[in-house]
Amino acid sequence: EAGVAQSPRYKIIEKRQSVAFWCNPISGHATLYWYQQILGQGPKLLIQFQNNGVVDDSQLPKDRFSAERLKGVDSTLKIQPAKLEDSAVYLCASSLDLGANEKLFFGSGTQLSVL
Amino acid sequence: AQSVTQLDSHVSVSEGTPVLLRCNYSSSYSPSLFWYVQHPNKGLQLLLKYTSAATLVKGINGFEAEFKKSETSFHLTKPSAHMSDAAEYFCVVSRSARQLTFGSGTQLTVLP
Repeated sequence: EAGVAQSPRYKIIEKRQSVAFWCNPISGHATLYWYQQILGQGPKLLIQFQNNGVVDDSQLPKDRFSAERLKGVDSTLKIQPAKLEDSAVYLCASSLDLGANEKLFFGSGTQLSVL
Repeated sequence: AQSVTQLDSHVSVSEGTPVLLRCNYSSSYSPSLFWYVQHPNKGLQLLLKYTSAATLVKGINGFEAEFKKSETSFHLTKPSAHMSDAAEYFCVVSRSARQLTFGSGTQLTVLP
């Protein structure tokens, strides 16, 4: 079974530039998550989709972050403009559905460095 | 509200000795609890999960965890560490798929 695919693997940008990350979840998974993992911390949920609708974006800094999942399959996360504190690993995960006990499958992440 | 505390940021053990990674949680309801492992340059992988069926949960690679409600703990153990166990481990508490809360992680080092 193919896993969650993310690209790029690494990205280095200067502050105030924009950047986009891409995620392709496991086929058939309705729920897609974007997490931010700052060095030394656990992942923090940014946004959660169920099919192509947003379930939870309460922790997404909407003045600079945006995400979409237009066809209910793959998703993009964008930061514009980037700040130094956005340096982190951005993890995409997917699950079959929204249940409390659903197993999440994670991609390898995109490591973002903002200089 | 829910929270999870991993009591050790780093744990070092010798190969072949037991592993204990400690996790305490806070929740106002009956939570689901998980342990995830993150190997370098790889995605997080589910080790095991507790969902109120049995208090002792067995996971992959010989790991297990015991849910103790009286102590609000969900410690991860393994009888004998292997070099391949070196990784970062995250304890996670969940009220629903909308509310997964990750601990800050424990880095496990296995010494030869």
